[in-house]
Formats: sequence, C-alpha cells, structure tokens
Amino acid sequence: AQSVSQHNHHVILSEAASLELGCNYSYGGTVNLFWYVQYPGQHLQLLLKYFSGDPLVKGIKGFEAEFIKSKFSFNLRKPSVQWSDTAEYFCAVNQGGTNAGKSTFGDGTTLTVKP
Amino acid sequence: EAGVAQSPRYKIIEKRQSVAFWCNPISGHATLYWYQQILGQGPKLLIQFQNNGVVDDSQLPKDRFSAERLKGVDSTLKIQPAKLEDSAVYLCASSLGVGQGQTQYFGPGTRLLVL
Repeated sequence: AQSVSQHNHHVILSEAASLELGCNYSYGGTVNLFWYVQYPGQHLQLLLKYFSGDPLVKGIKGFEAEFIKSKFSFNLRKPSVQWSDTAEYFCAVNQGGTNAGKSTFGDGTTLTVKP
Repeated sequence: EAGVAQSPRYKIIEKRQSVAFWCNPISGHATLYWYQQILGQGPKLLIQFQNNGVVDDSQLPKDRFSAERLKGVDSTLKIQPAKLEDSAVYLCASSLGVGQGQTQYFGPGTRLLVL
C-alpha cells in the first residue's frame, strides 16, 4: 500500500517569510500528485496538482510545488506567506492507471502565519 | 455551481447505535468518494463509486459500514453498530471521472461523535 509522509506537523512563520512544506510518497510507478488546503471553517479545496509535463507546478495564491521523481517528493513552496495563508495543508497521491482517483493523503501540516 | 452537499453536519450518538450520512455530489460528477478523517490525521478513503458501481471499498470495515449510491447520484453511508473509534469527520467528495488528475471537490463533512 502506498503511503504519504508530511514531515512537519505544525509550522509557524511570520508574514513575508518563505514557506516550504515537505511531502514524500512511497509508490514507484506513475503518480498524480496534489496539494489541498483547508482554511479555518472551510472545505478542503485544491491548491495545485501535477499529472504530467513540467515538474514545477503553479497553483492559486502564489503557491508552487516541484515534483522530483528521483526523491519521491512533491514539496510545496511560497516565497512570501501572508496571514491569510493560515490553514491546514494536505498532500495527496493517486496512482496512475486503473487506480486513478484513489487518493492517499498525508496527515497534514498546520501552518500558522503571525501578522 | 453548487458544491457537494452533506447532511447532517454534526451527529452525536452512543456506541452500538446506528447512524447514516447523506451526500449529494456536484451535478454531472460520475465519481463519488467517502472518506473518514480522524482528528490529527489525513482523510482515509472508505469507498469510491463510479456512477452506481463500487470501484474500491478495500478500506471499508464491512462488518459495520455500508454505503450505496442509488441511481448514480446521491449516496448514503451507514454505520451499524457504531464504536467509539468511529468518532471522526466523514467527508464526501466528487469528481467528473477517474482519469488522470481528476480534481476531487469536497463537501463540508459530517462530524460524528460516538459516546
């Protein structure tokens, strides 16, 4: 069974600091990769996704993520965080092929941005 | 566009009682997912439907959990009898299909507390 590891459970940053959240997965075949975000009191929503092509993916609100196949990683980055980025962030992985759509989620990283 | 609807939003029951959750996906979405999210963990897939057929239910505890998706639209998830460890948020999500990179849209979830 595949697994997803998010190394940081809670990250606290000041506004304008740079952000990098780690995500590693275990499956060695074709994968689709996602970052979801859950703002306080809101639903889980897609931040960005990778399924092929340029391994550097840009998402909403200035977030980006880089797929490094050799490291089984899909780290999320933002050069300058804002207070409104305070949320919980989840990395998720789908296997490609017949299991496409079956997502395995990491346990999430809570980001707190101090104004 | 209306999002994924779920009800009830909150439910408190005693152990050994039964409970049912309802989900209405986004119109036209063929794929529907039920996830269980225990506090401090990421969502775990319980069951995935494609139209009204089950694609994956490998992580559904079938001795107590059941789910159906009549007519390929709404879905219900039932727990009978409930255990203390079933306390969690139950998330419903839908997507257009199961092709590569299909984005899942999540509902607000049902928060279940088993006493």
